[in-house]
Amino acid sequence: DTAVSQTPKYLVTQMGNDKSIKCEQNLGHDTMYWYKQDSKKFLKIMFSYNNKELIINETVPNRFSPKSPDKAHLNLHINSLELGDSAVYFCASSQGSSGVDEQYFGPGTRLTVT
Amino acid sequence: GENVEQHPSTLSVQEGDSAVIKCTYSDSASNYFPWYKQELGKRPQLIIDIRSNVGEKKDQRIAVTLNKTAKHFSLHITETQPEDSAVYFCAASMNSGGYQKVTFGTGTKLQVIP
Repeated sequence: DTAVSQTPKYLVTQMGNDKSIKCEQNLGHDTMYWYKQDSKKFLKIMFSYNNKELIINETVPNRFSPKSPDKAHLNLHINSLELGDSAVYFCASSQGSSGVDEQYFGPGTRLTVT
Repeated sequence: GENVEQHPSTLSVQEGDSAVIKCTYSDSASNYFPWYKQELGKRPQLIIDIRSNVGEKKDQRIAVTLNKTAKHFSLHITETQPEDSAVYFCAASMNSGGYQKVTFGTGTKLQVIP
């Protein structure tokens, strides 16, 4: 009965590679998010999608490309990985449109770039 | 855009004492203020929230206060227990163009010493 799930949980890869992280929510929420949490624990919004439509795109290198095939899924593809991309990436979802909705986070994907 | 500042960044208290974490926000359009707890290696989870039409909310040992005029809100934990040890994030949320936009604070690492 996992509400928000992500795969993989751990990802170790070399610089220059391309990798994807997948996220799925079974809560029927309209909005999904990607956050990056660095080693200092800062939670920084990267992207937000509402019903498959991109609504928030913070200052993120264009090596990062989100894709939402349907409103239950939001995947993150990263090209040409760099050392600074090492972080924990959290997917989240919320009902989304009212501004007063709880965010449900996935378990996180720990990305290590060597 | 919204800016949320959170203090202190680290906090150590003796078991049984109280802990207070403070946040300020900049955009008066923010109307929802959730607090998330993130245990080591886990996902952030909502512990309490408050809406802008309320000044205080309490749930057992946890309370949150909001001062809209001063644009600050605080988390109070009484009778702290070792299991309260975690990183706590405040956030400010608003409806922006029909969508929810959430800005997180920088986190407070709380250590409860038995």
